[in-house]
Amino acid sequence: NAGVTQTPKFQVLKTGQSMTLQCAQDMNHEYMSWYRQDPGMGLRLIHYSVGAGITDQGEVPNGYNVSRSTTEDFPLRLLSAAPSQTSVYFCASKRGFGQGDEQYFGPGTRLTVT
Amino acid sequence: GQNIDQPTEMTATEGAIVQINCTYQTSGFNGLFWYQQHAGEAPTFLSYNVLDGLEEKGRFSSFLSRSKGYSYLLLKELQMKDSASYLCAVLNNAGNMLTFGGGTRLMVKP
Repeated sequence: NAGVTQTPKFQVLKTGQSMTLQCAQDMNHEYMSWYRQDPGMGLRLIHYSVGAGITDQGEVPNGYNVSRSTTEDFPLRLLSAAPSQTSVYFCASKRGFGQGDEQYFGPGTRLTVT
Repeated sequence: GQNIDQPTEMTATEGAIVQINCTYQTSGFNGLFWYQQHAGEAPTFLSYNVLDGLEEKGRFSSFLSRSKGYSYLLLKELQMKDSASYLCAVLNNAGNMLTFGGGTRLMVKP
């Protein structure tokens, strides 16, 4: 199994540009999520999905959209990039909602907005 | 709301024991996770506690006191490769949101 994969690994955008960060998992996990990680602030939840066709907002959803058309894929869209969105983005998945279900993280996408 | 606190940085010596504390105040609780994150890499799962007490897994142990809103991660026989950030995270009642603390950066010195 490849686990959780993310593309691209690095991206530089200009303010106002849009782009999609890709995330896929091959573990047949129901739950997928997107986090951003900024220095000193830990990981913050952007959006999550509990299954195909179902998404919900996390702690910091503004400026981001998601969709979940298949179990495997959970792309994150930046509609109009801003310098405040410069961060490292991690996608994660877990089997379900049982106690102790650990999240598996992808390798991350390092995004810089100039 | 959720509030999770950890020390920002700690330093310890190779071969020693170190304890990383985490305190939390959350509106719901369905377990506490510890993750390890090496610089430039993704977090990886270390431990999960939902009941009070100590969970031991090799050199790593994790403790939870729900009444005190307190957990710690204990690392024994420290190795240089243990230099990393350690993230404490609390799962909400519904099991659909994990809230992380800011992480503790541990530096292990020879």
